[in-house]
Amino acid sequence: GQNIDQPTEMTATEGAIVQINCTYQTSGFNGLFWYQQHAGEAPTFLSYNVLDGLEEKGRFSSFLSRSKGYSYLLLKELQMKDSASYLCAVRDQGNTDKLIFGTGTRLQVFP
Amino acid sequence: GAVVSQHPSWVICKSGTSVKIECRSLDFQATTMFWYRQFPKKSLMLMATSNEGSKATYEQGVEKDKFLINHASLTLSTLTVTSAHPEDSSFYICSAWTGGWETQYFGPGTRLLVL
Repeated sequence: GQNIDQPTEMTATEGAIVQINCTYQTSGFNGLFWYQQHAGEAPTFLSYNVLDGLEEKGRFSSFLSRSKGYSYLLLKELQMKDSASYLCAVRDQGNTDKLIFGTGTRLQVFP
Repeated sequence: GAVVSQHPSWVICKSGTSVKIECRSLDFQATTMFWYRQFPKKSLMLMATSNEGSKATYEQGVEKDKFLINHASLTLSTLTVTSAHPEDSSFYICSAWTGGWETQYFGPGTRLLVL
């Protein structure tokens, strides 16, 4: 079956660094995406990894290890506006771009 | 660029009625559009994948006769919830994909409340 796990909730302090982990077991793999979703809004794209290693984009970085079925999203210099849900999604193999979403992690940033 | 719209953003209806939700890619043509539903504090669950001009592919457990999908053009897909019941109340989100490595671009979602 398809299984993508993330911690349900995390809290952090403004200015700090937080790492959100995602482990996956899927029948196919063609890349891993991270999205940010504020309550009541649609997900917005943060990052994409298809090869092992770290992808950095400003305050956000994402890491992938395909052999371990593991990824993390690293958020630096946290701001209050970073309070949101963070969704890990694996793209299924093939050309349909079907995304399988993880359970999502609700991050709350405190002053 | 890469803007996806949904209409309506909010809908309240009586049990037994049908509701149509539109999803449009405003500034690009989408090879494929996807429909998701999301319950409060839960992640997105894929309902169906639709390609322009062909029948939608539904995920296991999703009733195709209840959730009718029409993908009339490369920029428009519609989801019709037929004979809606209170348990159909949810947040429905569409996304559009241009192909290749590109991410899916998500619409702002439609919140459906069935009374």
